[in-house]
Amino acid sequence: SQQGEEDPQALSIQEGENATMNCSYKTSINNLQWYRQNSGRGLVHLILIRSNEREKHSGRLRVTLDTSKKSSSLLITASRAADTASYFCATDNRGNTPLVFGKGTRLSVIA
Amino acid sequence: KAGVTQTPRYLIKTRGQQVTLSCSPISGHRSVSWYQQTPGQGLQFLFEYFSETQRNKGNFPGRFSGRQFSNSRSEMNVSTLELGDSALYLCASSLTSSGDIGEQYFGPGTRLTVT
Repeated sequence: SQQGEEDPQALSIQEGENATMNCSYKTSINNLQWYRQNSGRGLVHLILIRSNEREKHSGRLRVTLDTSKKSSSLLITASRAADTASYFCATDNRGNTPLVFGKGTRLSVIA
Repeated sequence: KAGVTQTPRYLIKTRGQQVTLSCSPISGHRSVSWYQQTPGQGLQFLFEYFSETQRNKGNFPGRFSGRQFSNSRSEMNVSTLELGDSALYLCASSLTSSGDIGEQYFGPGTRLTVT
């Protein structure tokens, strides 16, 4: 079963624009992670944000977490064609529980 | 360090057969997780092994099983294959020991097609 739900399901933007993807989840979490997947391949870890953190940056990525709203957002600034991929959020609870993934947002960046 | 490797990369099997997939984690990683990815259900957790013990199990029938060896390499087996088992099977390893899942490092996956 999916814990996270990404929104939108698909997003198409021009190169250079910013892309924002949202993730909502249902239960209390320990950590929330974002992953990228290029077509039919393995996932690549982008960023991990802990439940006591509100914002995190990594290069052109900015992740926010609002535990009161049970939501997170991933912002990719100055997007490039190479950012075209599916993006997934994944959450876990404390106590060795497994990661639960959302269904992802498909991002297309048009050159 | 070498990344997570999975073999084989592609596999075609017939209904009723069984299949074994293999995963070699990053050196030093003791946790190995398996996921099934389909267009309809998305990414679903199968099981996780840590130090040769199954630590977590997802909601899959008993036809799906796995194991981990002393060198942390892991295999998963699916018996009596069904058409619905066609999927991308992903393996991920991590440094986690206890209490925190942490960052997962994924392999390229095995694409299983059941005909």
